[in-house]
Amino acid sequence: NAGVIQTPRHKVTGKGQEATLWCEPISGHSAVFWYRQTIVQGLEFLTYFRNQAPIDDSGMPKERFSAQMPNQSHSTLKIQSTQPQDSAVYLCASSSGGAYAEQFFGPGTRLTVL
Amino acid sequence: QQKVQQSPESLIVPEGAMTSLNCTFSDSASQYFAWYRQHSGKAPKALMSIFSNGEKEEGRFTIHLNKASLHFSLHIRDSQPSDSALYLCAVSMGGNYKYVFGAGTRLKVIA
Repeated sequence: NAGVIQTPRHKVTGKGQEATLWCEPISGHSAVFWYRQTIVQGLEFLTYFRNQAPIDDSGMPKERFSAQMPNQSHSTLKIQSTQPQDSAVYLCASSSGGAYAEQFFGPGTRLTVL
Repeated sequence: QQKVQQSPESLIVPEGAMTSLNCTFSDSASQYFAWYRQHSGKAPKALMSIFSNGEKEEGRFTIHLNKASLHFSLHIRDSQPSDSALYLCAVSMGGNYKYVFGAGTRLKVIA
């Protein structure tokens, strides 16, 4: 079991460019979560999917962030017109979907916006 | 909106000591409580979780939950230098729901 896979591991963009982050959950897991981690804000929830359906996007900045899960094997987080304040480690997690199932985290994508 | 707070912010203990980390939460309807450990540059990894009042022990680690006082804690017996990491507490309405994390306690165990 390879665990949760995230690509790329590092991404550098210029201000105003677009960034797309990829996540492959653990095979068989039905819930996929996106979080963002910074020194100042800590680990913050962004959005999650259950059985590919969006359930809760209450943590997503509305204007430039979007997430999709087109099939059970991958999810994407897209940030349009990136800003320096978007610089963070973006973490994807998946769980088996049970009521008390553990969330397994991927290694994260470190996004740096210059 | 759920608020989760951890104390202390940082801690330095000698090897072999008992370490105690605390987490308070604000929503009494919370159902699932977990501790994650994150070594520098690595993904958070689950240590222990609990969902009913009381205590659970796994090896050197013990988790206590008191829902009435909106508090849970992690105790590490015989702390080792390899335990040095950022410890994050997480609270949710269930394992299948989003976590709300505390800001973390940075633990350093000195040999």
